[in-house]
Amino acid sequence: AQSVTQLGSHVSVSEGALVLLRCNYSSSVPPYLFWYVQYPNQGLQLLLKYTSAATLVKGINGFEAEFKKSETSFHLTKPSAHMSDAAEYFCAVKMLQGAQKLVFGQGTRLTINP
Amino acid sequence: AAGVIQSPRHLIKEKRETATLKCYPIPRHDTVYWYQQGPGQDPQFLISFYEKMQSDKGSIPDRFSAQQFSDYHSELNMSSLELGDSALYFCASSLTGGYNTGELFFGEGSRLTVL
Repeated sequence: AQSVTQLGSHVSVSEGALVLLRCNYSSSVPPYLFWYVQYPNQGLQLLLKYTSAATLVKGINGFEAEFKKSETSFHLTKPSAHMSDAAEYFCAVKMLQGAQKLVFGQGTRLTINP
Repeated sequence: AAGVIQSPRHLIKEKRETATLKCYPIPRHDTVYWYQQGPGQDPQFLISFYEKMQSDKGSIPDRFSAQQFSDYHSELNMSSLELGDSALYFCASSLTGGYNTGELFFGEGSRLTVL
């Protein structure tokens, strides 16, 4: 079964610093990969997705992620953190065929220091 | 643009009571999913429906049941509630047939508190 692992349950960066949230997937076949963001007491909002097109994917709010098959990774980055980026971030995987559900990673809580 | 609508947004129940959550998917979406997110946890898949038929089943307790109706809205019924059922319940919808963009669109969630 496919799964994703997010390294680091908590990440703290200074405002203006680089944000790097790590995600590795386990699948013999490259799946669809997603990053969702969840603000406190809110639903899950799609940041970006990889669906076997360009390996570098740009999303909303200045975030981007690069699919690296050789490393089975899909790390999320943002060049300069903003206070409003403080939230919970979930990496998720979905197979191209078969079951359509998303399987989420454990989540990473991003804190931005002034 | 229309989004996934969930109701109620908040629900408080006593142990052993029953609760029903409703979900209205984005128009023309053919698949509905239910997820449960406990405090500080990642969302766990419960069950999904494609064209009103159950398409996949996850870690849904036997005390829970769900269905999708002819108008594509879905309901999650939870009986004999336990304290551990307190969680945020998300509904999501997607377009699986035809042009499949892959992502699920999530509602704002229904927060269930069991006392």
